Amino acid sequence: SAVISQKPSRDICQRGTSLTIQCQVDSQVTMMFWYRQQPGQSLTLIATANQGSEATYESGFVIDKFPISRPNLTFSTLTVSNMSPEDSSIYLCSVGYRGTGELFFGEGSRLTVL
Amino acid sequence: AQSVTQPDIHITVSEGASLELRCNYSYGATPYLFWYVQSPGQGLQLLLKYFSGDTLVQGIKGFEAEFKRSQSSFNLRKPSVHWSDAAEYFCAVEDTGFQKLVFGTGTRLLVSP
Repeated sequence: SAVISQKPSRDICQRGTSLTIQCQVDSQVTMMFWYRQQPGQSLTLIATANQGSEATYESGFVIDKFPISRPNLTFSTLTVSNMSPEDSSIYLCSVGYRGTGELFFGEGSRLTVL
Repeated sequence: AQSVTQPDIHITVSEGASLELRCNYSYGATPYLFWYVQSPGQGLQLLLKYFSGDTLVQGIKGFEAEFKRSQSSFNLRKPSVHWSDAAEYFCAVEDTGFQKLVFGTGTRLLVSP
């Protein structure tokens, strides 16, 4: 298993600002992903965070809006840029080990945009 | 593209009664299937998973699920529900080889006294 720490756990932000969410894992992991969970909705994959290279984004998500970094095998950041109220969601970091087929999730970062 | 359907948005079960949450998937090959639980204000916890082999899989907290290929289903069951089981339950299928999960819309379980 993996212990995942996300910061901040929650925040209230003003429209037009940007916020960076951090994901720290207690062990080296192969795979890191960022998911979004909009209020009352299911989870949607934003992107795969690739170590040392640009993230791979899913349809409907772009780097300018959700820049992602992954400098090593235990850490990643997701930035939500130029926020609007529609970005109010829980953002979850997820990690896995290649070949195991299993993912572990952080407790999420709940963002409210006013 | 693969998809997951959870037809029940809400389910209310009396404490001590049995539970079955439905999940249907659409996927061309043998899927990797998961059930996760999300308690209020918490992240997701893996209840159980199916990769291959025995179609009845046991998980944590007394949950089990049965994979039925003919029905494209992976229903979650528990023989006796406890009040602490009240939570949101998500079924998910993996894009095999990429470890990206596609989630269903979730079923919110309410437990009545």
